[in-house]
Amino acid sequence: DGGITQSPKYLFRKEGQNVTLSCEQNLNHDAMYWYRQDPGQGLRLIYYSQIVNDFQKGDIAEGYSVSREKKESFPLTVTSAQKNPTAFYLCASIGGQGDTEAFFGQGTRLTVV
Amino acid sequence: DAKTTQPTSMDCAEGRAANLPCNHSTISGNEYVYWYRQIHSQGPQYIIHGLKNNETNEMASLIITEDRKSSTLILPHATLRDTAVYYCIVRPPLGNTGKLIFGQGTTLQVKP
Repeated sequence: DGGITQSPKYLFRKEGQNVTLSCEQNLNHDAMYWYRQDPGQGLRLIYYSQIVNDFQKGDIAEGYSVSREKKESFPLTVTSAQKNPTAFYLCASIGGQGDTEAFFGQGTRLTVV
Repeated sequence: DAKTTQPTSMDCAEGRAANLPCNHSTISGNEYVYWYRQIHSQGPQYIIHGLKNNETNEMASLIITEDRKSSTLILPHATLRDTAVYYCIVRPPLGNTGKLIFGQGTTLQVKP
C-alpha cells in the first residue's frame, strides 16, 4: 500500500541533543512538508520541499534543519538551538497531477526532558 | 499568515447537519478550497475540495459562494465520531503548491 510513514511515533531526548525525525513516502510525490503542532493549536509550517535537493523555510524554521536527497525522504532534524522542541510533528506530501490532496503521516510526538 | 478564517469552535447535536464556515476573501482564481479534519493526535485526513462548483462525496458536501470568498463544509448527519478539528485551506493546483498553510481550524464537538 502506498502511503507516508513517520517514525518513530514517540521519541524522547535529553535537552541539548539533536534529534532527527523520519518521513518516508512511496507515493512518488514531489512536494513534502513538515509541521509542528502544540497542544490545542493548529499546524505551523516548519520547512517544505517542492523538488529533490531543494527546500524552503516555513513560518517557524529556526532551530530546525532538513534535507531532501531523495524524492521519497524528507528528514527533519530538531537541533539544540530549538528553544522549545517538545511538540507533535507531522509530515505531509502532495503529488500527482492537478488538484490532488495532501497525505499526512501519523505524526511523531517528541518529548525533550 | 493563514489565508483562511474559521470559527474556533462549534457544537452540533448527533444526527443533525453540521455546517462549518470558512472565509477565504483573498483567494486567487486558480486556488482550490480544501477541507481536512484531525482527530486527536492523528494526522489530518482529507475530506473534500473544490474550485468553483459545489461538491459532494461520501463524507461531506462543500458549498462555495459564487464570489468564492467563503465556503461551508456540511456533514449531513453528524455522529460522535465526527468530533474533530476541521481545517479549511486554499492552495493552487500542483506545480505551484508553495507553502501549504493551515490555520487554527474549527473544533467541532458532536453531542449526544
